[in-house]
Amino acid sequence: QSVLTQPPSVSGAPGQRVTISCTGSSSNIGAGYDVHWFQQLPGTAPKLLIYGNSNRPSGVPDRFSGSKSGTSASLAITGLQAEDEADYYCQSYDSRLSGYVFGIGTKVTVL
Amino acid sequence: DVQLLESGGHLVQPGGSLRLSCAASGFTFSSYAMSWVRQAPGKGLEWVSGISGSGTSTYYADSVKGRFTISRDNSKDTLYLLMNSLRAEDTAIYYCAKDRGSLLIGLDVWGQGTTVTVSS
Repeated sequence: QSVLTQPPSVSGAPGQRVTISCTGSSSNIGAGYDVHWFQQLPGTAPKLLIYGNSNRPSGVPDRFSGSKSGTSASLAITGLQAEDEADYYCQSYDSRLSGYVFGIGTKVTVL
Repeated sequence: DVQLLESGGHLVQPGGSLRLSCAASGFTFSSYAMSWVRQAPGKGLEWVSGISGSGTSTYYADSVKGRFTISRDNSKDTLYLLMNSLRAEDTAIYYCAKDRGSLLIGLDVWGQGTTVTVSS
């Protein structure tokens, strides 16, 4: 059972908007620690998608956006494309565990 | 370009030991914390261990504390993970990942991973 809770799957048609939630607690997201998001395409290593709650690294399309409020964060993908089919993970730091924690991952399916 | 290249993954018997290495290039290695993250077959990501840029601070997940040791050689730009008392549940792809700061702030660049299989 992961410290950060994500839905196992979300789906949407091409062009639609989907969101992935990431719910933590007072020892991680709620304590003010940043949330980061990673995309993992099948058979590849994870890639940083969003850092510091809402910042996109160079090269990440602006279709991807992140936000954080209280003990939760979310990733939004607008204008969904077939190439966005992947697993998405949220990550933060937990002060009780003194280390990083990940969500279970959310599989995005493009219908 | 930042590059991370893991090596050392192997088939090992339960109770055995293994040392993973991660060779870094394209950035000032000693300025950044580093971590090991693993992914069991068909499962999600699990952070295993982290180390500060200077190497003076180390961090471990409860699942590996007392069995795994993280270290780094800043003169060789290399990160290590010594794994002892290996169990079947340690079977996974092990990724080395660079942090965004000298302490644990957030991961950015990942290597391609090395596979560890614990089985008799």
